Amino acid sequence: DAKTTQPPSMDCAEGRAANLPCNHSTISGNEYVYWYRQIHSQGPQYIIHGLKNNETNEMASLIITEDRKSSTLILPHATLRDTAVYYCIVRAPGSSNTGKLIFGQGTTLQVKP
Amino acid sequence: GAGVSQSPRYKVAKRGQDVALRCDPISGHVSLFWYQQALGQGPEFLTYFQNEAQLDKSGLPSDRFFAERPEGSVSTLKIQRTQQEDSAVYLCASRIEVGKYNEQFFGPGTRLTVL
Repeated sequence: DAKTTQPPSMDCAEGRAANLPCNHSTISGNEYVYWYRQIHSQGPQYIIHGLKNNETNEMASLIITEDRKSSTLILPHATLRDTAVYYCIVRAPGSSNTGKLIFGQGTTLQVKP
Repeated sequence: GAGVSQSPRYKVAKRGQDVALRCDPISGHVSLFWYQQALGQGPEFLTYFQNEAQLDKSGLPSDRFFAERPEGSVSTLKIQRTQQEDSAVYLCASRIEVGKYNEQFFGPGTRLTVL
């Protein structure tokens, strides 16, 4: 599996951009990068995914480096409700019939007023 | 619209008891996953269904764990002779189709505590 590495925790001031990094140096050419987040006592929530181009949706932007060995999730204007654990996931190889997700430890983002 | 629901939300069992956890996926979703999340850890894959077929059960930790989805909609995760190490949050997720890159929708989970 392409393993991901994320910092265990980060702080961000409310209203500022939160930039969450992820390293995935062993990613394969056909593997996508997914981001999910988990707010306390809830199930994980899909945020965004990408292959090699930068992606943006109503929740966030995903910036993937040209060599695809790392990526950054950007929350442009963090709010207190964005406080959560953020998981960077590379879709498990060998699961073409399932798409099961392999979660790491994630980054705990604390948005402060 | 209705999301993925799970019941019960909390379950306390005495060691050795059997438990059954229910998942109601989003209507029409073909794929269904079960994950186990220990305290302070990320979710870990348990098993996967495509409609009623259980195509991957590689994550089930022991033969005490059994999952079914007989009609391709509701799923039940059963744990026999529960042990303290089974204490965790059990998450269910569904996905609309077999397509590899579609997002999974998660339920709120069932928190199982084994005493």
